[in-house]
Amino acid sequence: ETGVTQTPRHLVMGMTNKKSLKCEQHLGHNAMYWYKQSAKKPLELMFVYSLEERVENNSVPSRFSPECPNSSHLFLHLHTLQPEDSALYLCASSQDILGGSSYNSPLHFGNGTRLTVT
Amino acid sequence: AQSVTQLDSQVPVFEEAPVELRCNYSSSVSVYLFWYVQYPNQGLQLLLKYLSGSTLVESINGFEAEFNKSQTSFHLRKPSVHISDTAEYFCAVSFSLYNFNKFYFGSGTKLNVKP
Repeated sequence: ETGVTQTPRHLVMGMTNKKSLKCEQHLGHNAMYWYKQSAKKPLELMFVYSLEERVENNSVPSRFSPECPNSSHLFLHLHTLQPEDSALYLCASSQDILGGSSYNSPLHFGNGTRLTVT
Repeated sequence: AQSVTQLDSQVPVFEEAPVELRCNYSSSVSVYLFWYVQYPNQGLQLLLKYLSGSTLVESINGFEAEFNKSQTSFHLRKPSVHISDTAEYFCAVSFSLYNFNKFYFGSGTKLNVKP
């Protein structure tokens, strides 16, 4: 399997539930990203992991908790969400470091998880 | 600070007509430029990119974009669109921080190709 895979594709959860989103990349990249896409708003960067270390946390509420156990996997743990958290959550990866130096490359996105909070 | 502006939220066009989707950016540092396309219920797919070299870049499906540094623009064009080009298109800029690439996206332009 190639590319970036996200599971589940759709998730409906109540405000008191705990769930996790999973992302797996098969591209050998060393950076992984979580984005939130809401209707009529630009993509919002949530978290960035580079070489398995969190390097960006964009003022995201603590009810979202990321985890990056290795360079191929990224999770987003969800708990006590609000209805306004309903959105498409996109995972992406890229090769941001090459030969020990920064390297510019495009983002490769998964198909996203459509989250609905009831 | 960096920002990306896509002035047109929706562009209706008839099949086989030309189209231009506009993108302007603002940046205090040198940036790289991208266009992404998003089809319904899918993630964003890279359409084309400008990193360096020729200011005119092309995609495999007939789109092209031209980097204009003086006008800080990166407009996307196609001389003849197909029904299958109906999608949402996002312009993005990026620059390298010391350990990752920071991306800024526009708010998107929905291209609706009519028969």
